Amino acid sequence: QQQVKQSPQSLIVQKGGISIINCAYENTAFDYFPWYQQFPGKGPALLIAIRPDVSEKKEGRFTISFNKSAKQFSLHIMDSQPGDSATYFCAASIHTSGTYKYIFGTGTRLKVLA
Amino acid sequence: DAGVIQSPRHEVTEMGQEVTLRCKPISGHNSLFWYRQTMMRGLELLIYFNNNVPIDDSGMPEDRFSAKMPNASFSTLKIQPSEPRDSAVYFCASSSSYGAGGGYEQYFGPGTRLTVT
Repeated sequence: QQQVKQSPQSLIVQKGGISIINCAYENTAFDYFPWYQQFPGKGPALLIAIRPDVSEKKEGRFTISFNKSAKQFSLHIMDSQPGDSATYFCAASIHTSGTYKYIFGTGTRLKVLA
Repeated sequence: DAGVIQSPRHEVTEMGQEVTLRCKPISGHNSLFWYRQTMMRGLELLIYFNNNVPIDDSGMPEDRFSAKMPNASFSTLKIQPSEPRDSAVYFCASSSSYGAGGGYEQYFGPGTRLTVT
């Protein structure tokens, strides 16, 4: 019940296309859903995040769509660029003992072709 | 403001040796997390601290792994003795319960790439 399932494992998109990565969870106690972007040799960096009381959040070319009833959320990258090529992780956060613990998905390696 | 600092950035050691990884969280942050990243298992949470107190170490793979946080600005992850299967990238992350974000956002360090031969 603590798992976050992420798909696809890898994704190849043409420049200018839309990249879509999906995640699903089981535990309804999760209350924050961030997406992290990781470039080779670097640590993951927060990209965008959403709370479950909102169905969509957009920041520039990046949009999270959230379906609370289906317990699913997805990241859409519009007008994908070669610089977006990275590994993307979804996560779900749960409050525990005064702090918030993340459960990460398994990651999606995105390659945007020039 | 400096981000999360980890040292060393790379560590190569022989099987059986003790390895100590170090982390300095962002100043003012009161939660600290240690993760391990491998191709096979992705990002695994090993242990986390809140206000310097270990909260949950259920992710620590074996008794060979231990972590301490003697004060708010320093934490160590120790592996003794190390084994080749411990080879991975180890990340430290920190968060604050007190900011506008409410403790949700975790900030990751650059990681330590450990190779055990």
